[in-house]
Amino acid sequence: QSVLTQPPSVSAASGQKVTISCSGSRSNIGDNYVSWYQQIPGTSPKVLIYDNNKRPSGIPDRFSGSKSGTSATLGITGLQTGDEADYYCATWDASLNGVVFGGGTKLTVL
Amino acid sequence: EVQLVESGGGLVKPGGSLRLSCAASGFTFGDYSINWVRQAPGKGLEWVASISSSSSHRYYAASVRGRFTISRDNVKNSLFLQMNSLRAEDTATYYCARVFGGTVTNSDFWGQGTLVTVSS
Repeated sequence: QSVLTQPPSVSAASGQKVTISCSGSRSNIGDNYVSWYQQIPGTSPKVLIYDNNKRPSGIPDRFSGSKSGTSATLGITGLQTGDEADYYCATWDASLNGVVFGGGTKLTVL
Repeated sequence: EVQLVESGGGLVKPGGSLRLSCAASGFTFGDYSINWVRQAPGKGLEWVASISSSSSHRYYAASVRGRFTISRDNVKNSLFLQMNSLRAEDTATYYCARVFGGTVTNSDFWGQGTLVTVSS
């Protein structure tokens, strides 16, 4: 059972928008930055969002991040088949004194 | 080009030990904190340990604390994970990942991973 809660799966049609939620508590999301990672099966994870809402260079603005209270959200617009992957949120947890990941969300583009 | 290459994985019996290595190139290794993150077959990502650039700070997941030790050699541009008292639940692909932006949860470059299998 992950400290951060994500929906196991989401789906949306090609070209549409989808959001993935990540719910935590004050000791993790509430007081710390959130990162989001994309992992295409068989490959290493790739950072999409860091510090809640910043995109590394090379990440298209179709990907966005936000945080409110003890929850964070990843948004993806203009869905493409290449976006099919597992998505993970991550943050620091002060109670555990370590990094915590969400359980992951599998995105299917219909 | 930034590269991280893990090695040292393999099959080990429960209770055994293994030492993973991560060879870094393409950047000033001694300027960055590094994470170890693992992924059990078919499961999600799990953070294992982090080490600061000068080795002054080391953090461990509760599941490995007391059994695993993270270390680094900034002269040889290498990161290590000494794993003792291995259990079946330690079976996973282990990734090393470079930390950026001053926040340990931010990892911009990842290795390809090395598989550790703990089984009798």
